[in-house]
Amino acid sequence: EAGVVQSPRYKIIEKKQPVAFWCNPISGHNTLYWYLQNLGQGPELLIRYENEEAVDDSQLPKDRFSAERLKGVDSTLKIQPAELGDSAVYLCASSPGGGGRRYEQFFGPGTRLTVL
Amino acid sequence: AQRVTQPEKLLSVFKGAPVELKCNYSYSGSPELFWYVQYSRQRLQLLLRHISRESIKGFTADLNKGETSFHLKKPFAQEEDSAMYYCAPNRDDKIIFGKGTRLHILP
Repeated sequence: EAGVVQSPRYKIIEKKQPVAFWCNPISGHNTLYWYLQNLGQGPELLIRYENEEAVDDSQLPKDRFSAERLKGVDSTLKIQPAELGDSAVYLCASSPGGGGRRYEQFFGPGTRLTVL
Repeated sequence: AQRVTQPEKLLSVFKGAPVELKCNYSYSGSPELFWYVQYSRQRLQLLLRHISRESIKGFTADLNKGETSFHLKKPFAQEEDSAMYYCAPNRDDKIIFGKGTRLHILP
């Protein structure tokens, strides 16, 4: 099993440019998460999907960040326009629904974004 | 407000010595508690969860509801235990990660 796949692994852009990150969760996982991880910090939740529905986007800065999960499988996180403070690692995770393993999250390798 | 605290940013322990990584949480109700680990150049992964009461790689974690703590322990540290460890309470599908403790095992 490939696990959660993210691309690109690294991205360098200039401020004010748009950027997009892509995530393919583990097959069969209904729940998908996007996290932001700053240097020296733990991951912070940006948005959580249950299938196609964004059930928790309270921490997503909606003025510049957007996300979608069409067909309830892959997901894309976008920033437009990017700011210097957006430099961080963006993590995607997925989780199976139901049962005792419901809350275990499986993480992707992350996308390291550098905004110049 | 829901909060999780890992007071040590870095913990250095000699190989063979006991390890204790501290975690305190401030949550209403009864969160489900996890420890996640990230080894060098690897992705973040689940180490253990308190509800299963299992021991993974020799680590255990005891939930102390009175002290609201969930410290991670191992009696004898091994070099391969060097990693970042995150305490992560989860309540109502909302998981909050601590800032993490870097465990460095000295030879």
